[in-house]
Amino acid sequence: EADIYQTPRYLVIGTGKKITLECSQTMGHDKMYWYQQDPGMELHLIHYSYGVNSTEKGDLSSESTVSRIRTEHFPLTLESARPSHTSQYLCASSDLGGLAEEQFFGPGTRLTVL
Amino acid sequence: GDSVTQMEGPVTLSEEAFLTINCTYTATGYPSLFWYVQYPGEGLQLLLKATKADDKGSNKGFEATYRKETTSFHLEKGSVQVSDSAVYFCALSDRSRAYGQNFVFGPGTRLSVLP
Repeated sequence: EADIYQTPRYLVIGTGKKITLECSQTMGHDKMYWYQQDPGMELHLIHYSYGVNSTEKGDLSSESTVSRIRTEHFPLTLESARPSHTSQYLCASSDLGGLAEEQFFGPGTRLTVL
Repeated sequence: GDSVTQMEGPVTLSEEAFLTINCTYTATGYPSLFWYVQYPGEGLQLLLKATKADDKGSNKGFEATYRKETTSFHLEKGSVQVSDSAVYFCALSDRSRAYGQNFVFGPGTRLSVLP
């Protein structure tokens, strides 16, 4: 079954730790995205990728970094987590060039930095 | 640039009430339009979509019609259930821009349905 996965679902860590949020999709989609969702619900695009070795910054400035070494994998890394990074992180993918190009979302990772 | 505006929430309704969530958009190209739903603790799920003017998207009793003349894509349901309580996002994809940030979400509308 084609799907998009995120791990971990929940993460509580201390300030200064390095973390990586994992995102994988089995749909063969070229485009992948990371969103940060604030408590007010609004989605903010922080990174996206057109394909392997492509990464772009989104609208919201973020201290995180991403990589795209394989089509199916788009991890997000925070080198030194801070309480201001506490948020819900959503990964999504879409088929570049598709008629409607809807995005498919993973279940999210809720990050709490103490 | 492209943008999506939704009615502010929260919206609170009684079970079996009629639901309308307004959505209007601005786009320079020929967008596809979407409604996504987010249940508590989950990611977004596509609820319905429309790819051209006058198309009607429908799913699970929800409907929305792509109105180019009013640049709107209002979400409606005739009789809501408690299980419809969620956050609803209107969104557009501007297919004339294959590269760049061509997917835009509205701010979301929280719906609470009371028994």
